[in-house]
Amino acid sequence: DAGVIQSPRHEVTEMGQEVTLRCKPISGHNSLFWYRQTMMRGLELLIYFNNNVPIDDSGMPEDRFSAKMPNASFSTLKIQPSEPRDSAVYFCASRDYAYNEQFFGPGTRLTVL
Amino acid sequence: QQQVKQSPQSLIVQKGGISIINCAYENTAFDYFPWYQQFPGKGPALLIAIRPDVSEKKEGRFTISFNKSAKQFSLHIMDSQPGDSATYFCAASLQGGSEKLVFGKGTKLTVNP
Repeated sequence: DAGVIQSPRHEVTEMGQEVTLRCKPISGHNSLFWYRQTMMRGLELLIYFNNNVPIDDSGMPEDRFSAKMPNASFSTLKIQPSEPRDSAVYFCASRDYAYNEQFFGPGTRLTVL
Repeated sequence: QQQVKQSPQSLIVQKGGISIINCAYENTAFDYFPWYQQFPGKGPALLIAIRPDVSEKKEGRFTISFNKSAKQFSLHIMDSQPGDSATYFCAASLQGGSEKLVFGKGTKLTVNP
């Protein structure tokens, strides 16, 4: 298996632009997590899905952030409009619900100018 | 009450030494405590995990010590090697790990040759 796939790996955009981050979980996994990592705040859970259904979105910072999981093999995290304080590394992770280990993707480094 | 506090923020040890990273939690309902290891430019990966029914778990050079009454757990890396240089995150979860993970802020470990 190729592991969790995230795209793009790097994204540089200007303030006010829409940003869409993409994630393909490991085949057969039924839980998907979106995290944000910064030096100041560490690793923060933004939202997670079980069987494509959002379970907990309490970590989504504000209405500018939205996440979807239209099917078991694809999820998006959208920021609209983006702001410089959104600059961070965004990780997607997936898990087989029967087990506890989360498998993280390589991350997307987002820079908002 | 959902926080996991991790210390130290950074740690430098000599090759062959013992690295010790500590974590404390408040929520006594937490019942799954994993440690994740992250190398630069990569996503975190599960290193070792423990449940509160045991006080210690060892896997190779890595040991988790768990003190339920003190609500603390720690990671010990014996015979630390330069290849162990990474950021280590403790975490906690409810319902045996089936719920979301709450991560500590991370410890950057540097092992000098």
